[in-house]
Amino acid sequence: EVQLVESGGGLVQPGRSLKLSCLASGFTFSNYGMNWIRQAPGKGLEWVASISSSSSYIYYADTVKGRFTISRDNAKNTLYLQMTSLRSEDTALYYCARHKVAGYFDFWGPGTMVTVSS
Amino acid sequence: DIQMTQSPASLSASLGETVTIECRASEDIYNGLAWYQQKPGKSPQLLIYNANSLHTGVPSRFSGSGSGTQYSLKINSLQSEDVASYFCQQYYDYPFTFGSGTKLEIK
Repeated sequence: EVQLVESGGGLVQPGRSLKLSCLASGFTFSNYGMNWIRQAPGKGLEWVASISSSSSYIYYADTVKGRFTISRDNAKNTLYLQMTSLRSEDTALYYCARHKVAGYFDFWGPGTMVTVSS
Repeated sequence: DIQMTQSPASLSASLGETVTIECRASEDIYNGLAWYQQKPGKSPQLLIYNANSLHTGVPSRFSGSGSGTQYSLKINSLQSEDVASYFCQQYYDYPFTFGSGTKLEIK
C-alpha cells in the first residue's frame, strides 16, 4: 500500500526555521519525482517545490525561492523541506505528493500543519 | 507563469444531475492538465490526467475534455459522495499552478 506520511509541522515564530519530512513506503521512492504543495486554511492549493527522482532537477515557487530548500534521501525513502525566514503567509497545511513522469500528482500524504505566528 | 481560471466557484446540483466545471489557462498547455477531488478534511485525490485520462479506480461518471486553453470536468449522475471541492492543475510548465477551486454541494 502506497503511503506518504508528513511530519515536522508545528507553531513557529516569524523569521524562524522549520524542517518538514515525508516518509514514503509501498512504492519505489527513487523512481518518482516528489513535491510539496500547501493549502492555507480555507484556501486553495499552491505548489511549493518539486525535486526529480535523482535530485538532478529542482524547482520552486517564487513565493518561497531563496527561503525554502527541497531535498530527498532515496536510501531513507524520505523527502524534506527546509523552511527558513518563515512568514505569517507561510501558514498552511503542507502536503507531499509524488509524480511519475508528467507533473500530475497521483498520490498525496495527509499533510502536516505549519503555523507561523508570534 | 500560467494562470488557471476556474469556474464556477461554487455549484449546487441535485442527485442524478450532470455538472460541468471549467478551467481556462492563460496560454496553451497542450493537455497538461489534471483534475483533483478534495473531500472535507482530506487530502486531494487525482481524478483525471492528460486532460481526459481517468485515473485508476475513479468512477466512469467522471470525465475530462478540452484542448489548448479550455478544459472541463464533467460529472454524470451526481452522487452524494461527490460532495467535495474540485481543482484543476496545469503541469505543462513550471511553476505548476492550480485553479482556485469549485465547491460542489447537493441541492
